[in-house]
Amino acid sequence: DQQVKQNSPSLSVQEGRISILNCDYTNSMFDYFLWYKKYPAEGPTFLISISSIKDKNEDGRFTVFLNKSAKHLSLHIVPSQPGDSAVYFCAASTGNQFYFGTGTSLTVIP
Amino acid sequence: ETGVTQSPTHLIKTRGQQVTLRCSSQSGHNTVSWYQQALGQGPQFIFQYYREEENGRGNFPPRFSGLQFPNYSSELNVNALELDDSALYLCASSLIGPLNTEAFFGQGTRLTVV
Repeated sequence: DQQVKQNSPSLSVQEGRISILNCDYTNSMFDYFLWYKKYPAEGPTFLISISSIKDKNEDGRFTVFLNKSAKHLSLHIVPSQPGDSAVYFCAASTGNQFYFGTGTSLTVIP
Repeated sequence: ETGVTQSPTHLIKTRGQQVTLRCSSQSGHNTVSWYQQALGQGPQFIFQYYREEENGRGNFPPRFSGLQFPNYSSELNVNALELDDSALYLCASSLIGPLNTEAFFGQGTRLTVV
């Protein structure tokens, strides 16, 4: 049972434009949400997180939005850069176990 | 760089064999979790160790077992390997405390079972 879903396996965006990656979850007990970025042959790298008591968290070019009523999470990257090309995983936790989505492969076209 | 290191980076084993994967946690972290990432999938939680005790387990059979040592390094052992065990195995370290924190991942061990 996939509790965290990323329905878009891939996304292509022009350099300088906004990238929006989406994530849906089913478990209302999740209280912490994260985004990880993964390059080939490397482990996932933490990008940004948000607690369930917030609806937005911003860190430089990266902003995560949380809509608890819709059980929806999104990551905005503005402006997108070619170095952002990677697979992005959203994750959610109820404590210390993380549940991951299947990932979205982002390609930023120069 | 996260400070979490895994060994080996690649491994080929035969069906039925046993394998041990190793992980060195980030300094200051007291918790280690293991994940299996099959091709095209997200990481799937195998189990977590906290203070050398198992602290949660995902939907994996008992032939997947682990250890955490006093220095917080960890091992993942898989017995009676099956072809479907071929995957990237990720170790993640974190710090259990009153606040949620992120987990830091190693680069993974790519296991191929033939």
